[in-house]
Amino acid sequence: AQSVAQPEDQVNVAEGNPLTVKCTYSVSGNPYLFWYVQYPNRGLQFLLKYITGDNLVKGSYGFEAEFNKSQTSFHLKKPSALVSDSALYFCAVRDRGAGGGNKLTFGTGTQLKVEL
Amino acid sequence: KAGVTQTPRYLIKTRGQQVTLSCSPISGHRSVSWYQQTPGQGLQFLFEYFSETQRNKGNFPGRFSGRQFSNSRSEMNVSTLELGDSALYLCASSLADSTGYNEQFFGPGTRLTVL
Repeated sequence: AQSVAQPEDQVNVAEGNPLTVKCTYSVSGNPYLFWYVQYPNRGLQFLLKYITGDNLVKGSYGFEAEFNKSQTSFHLKKPSALVSDSALYFCAVRDRGAGGGNKLTFGTGTQLKVEL
Repeated sequence: KAGVTQTPRYLIKTRGQQVTLSCSPISGHRSVSWYQQTPGQGLQFLFEYFSETQRNKGNFPGRFSGRQFSNSRSEMNVSTLELGDSALYLCASSLADSTGYNEQFFGPGTRLTVL
């Protein structure tokens, strides 16, 4: 079965500093990986995805993620954090499921707090 | 383009009742998935519908059911509500083209409270 792990419940970073939110995965076959962000009382917003190709994926709001096959990791990064980036971040892997199609398996989430 | 809409946004029910939640996907999206989000269990997949057929199902009891209409709108139903069903229920739609690589777009969710 596919799974993802987010080892940090919370990450604190000062505004202007680089941020990293960690994710490792376990899949059979090629991994299709996603990052989503959730603000309070909101649904999830798509940030970026890795399907194939370049290991560095660029996404929305200045976020990027680095796919590392040997370490089975897909860490989310941003060169300079903003206070407005404070939110809950989820890593997910797509599982085609027995019926094909789409099914996302999510990590437990990492709360990012960016402080002035 | 309008996003995924879910109604109602908030619901309060009592144990034993049943509830129906509605989801309207982004125009042109044919796949609709449902997820349950709780503090204890996190985000868990309920089921996915594509062209009015259930294509995938998560590990939830039969009290949880869904359907999809010809216009891709979807409903999920929970019968005989239990306290543990209190959660944020999220609907997501996807283009679901032949590549299978499309991301899912989520609605704001329906917050269900069971008393």
